[in-house]
Amino acid sequence: EVQLVESGGGLVQPGRSLRLSCAASGFTFDDYAMHWVRQAPGKGLEWVSGISWNSGSIGYADSVKGRFTISRDNAKNSLYLQMNSLRAEDTALYYCAKDKNGLPQMLFDIWGQGTMVTVSS
Amino acid sequence: EIVLTQSPGTLSLSPGERATLSCRASQSVSSSYLAWYQQKPGQAPRLLIYGASSRATGIPDRFSGSGSGTDFTLTISRLEPEDFAVYYCQQYGSSSTFGGGTKVEIK
Repeated sequence: EVQLVESGGGLVQPGRSLRLSCAASGFTFDDYAMHWVRQAPGKGLEWVSGISWNSGSIGYADSVKGRFTISRDNAKNSLYLQMNSLRAEDTALYYCAKDKNGLPQMLFDIWGQGTMVTVSS
Repeated sequence: EIVLTQSPGTLSLSPGERATLSCRASQSVSSSYLAWYQQKPGQAPRLLIYGASSRATGIPDRFSGSGSGTDFTLTISRLEPEDFAVYYCQQYGSSSTFGGGTKVEIK
């Protein structure tokens, strides 16, 4: 069964850091680009960041550029998102999503269940 | 940034009826890189349609997509009880942006 399981969310104060993880199973992880997509409570979807199969191509939304860093470990079938200088507006459910292709085409065909990040003092 | 506007915001229909959802882009979407996702309460989104009209794996043929350029449509030919949900369009031809969503609710 194809599965993505996120972890690492929680309550954090503004300005602090958090690292999200996503464990993949049921498919050949290093064949595909991977992404983080977030959804603020009661709101729509926002692409956050994506990484190609070999980490050679990486992209970020303007809203997180310079603060968030995406990475992957193909040996561990895992995707990560290091989030620094967190702001209240980063509060959201963060989904790990598989791309349909090896390069970041940003077409998300498999999604995890999400991990909630709440930024508040 | 390409802005996607979905209409209507809410669609109230009965099971068995036809649903027509619209997605309009602020500029042309290259190569029809337009997708549709379904999201039910408490669940992750699910890919339904990509390339404007290709159904994703396992998606029933009552779901169909059409359109090009700046105007796209998702049609559900006959609503089943499990189809009542929020639907998002997404363009992935120039970075990625999502529309605000259309909620299909039971009338």
